[in-house]
Amino acid sequence: EVQLVESGGGLVQPGGSLRLSCAASGFTFSSYSMNWVRQAPGKGLEWVSYISSSSSTIYYADSVKGRFTISRDNAKNSLYLQMNSLRDEDTAVYYCARVRYSYGSDWFDPWGQGTLVTVSS
Amino acid sequence: QSVLTQPPSASGTPGQRVTISCSGSSSNIGSNTVNWYQQLPGTAPKLLIYSNNQRPSGVPDRFSGSKSGTSASLAISGLQSEDEADYYCAAWDDSLNGPWVFGGGTKLTVL
Repeated sequence: EVQLVESGGGLVQPGGSLRLSCAASGFTFSSYSMNWVRQAPGKGLEWVSYISSSSSTIYYADSVKGRFTISRDNAKNSLYLQMNSLRDEDTAVYYCARVRYSYGSDWFDPWGQGTLVTVSS
Repeated sequence: QSVLTQPPSASGTPGQRVTISCSGSSSNIGSNTVNWYQQLPGTAPKLLIYSNNQRPSGVPDRFSGSKSGTSASLAISGLQSEDEADYYCAAWDDSLNGPWVFGGGTKLTVL
């Protein structure tokens, strides 16, 4: 069964740091690009960051650029998101999602269950 | 303010057909395929439609997607109570908005 399991969320003060992890299983992790997507309480989905299968291509949303760093360890089947200089507006459930491609189309499937990050003093 | 525009809410009675719209621009829907995600209450999003109109295995054929120009639609026929959820459209964006953009989501209520 293809599965993604996030961890590492919690309560952190503004200006603090947190590292999220996403453990993948049931598929060849090293062959797939991955994303982080977040959802603030009661709000919609916001794409955060993308990393290609070999880590050669990385993208960030403007809202997190310069503060967040995406990385992966294909030997450990794991995806990471290092979050620094956290702000109140970073409070959200963070999901990792695998990218699927076919004939010029791409989509996210599956998604993990999410991990909650709360930034508050 | 989401790049893709969806109505915040939609509703229907069991058995009815409901459509949810998603409006974008030439840099996203106009030049790339559209995906739809379903988020049941308290759960993670799940892929519902990919590449404009393709259903993953396990998704009932009551769900269908279409795209025309810079807009897309999700149709749900034979509405069931378990369809009550939030629905999000998404697409690749070729401009500085991207690379991926989502709609603000539509909360579907089954009356």
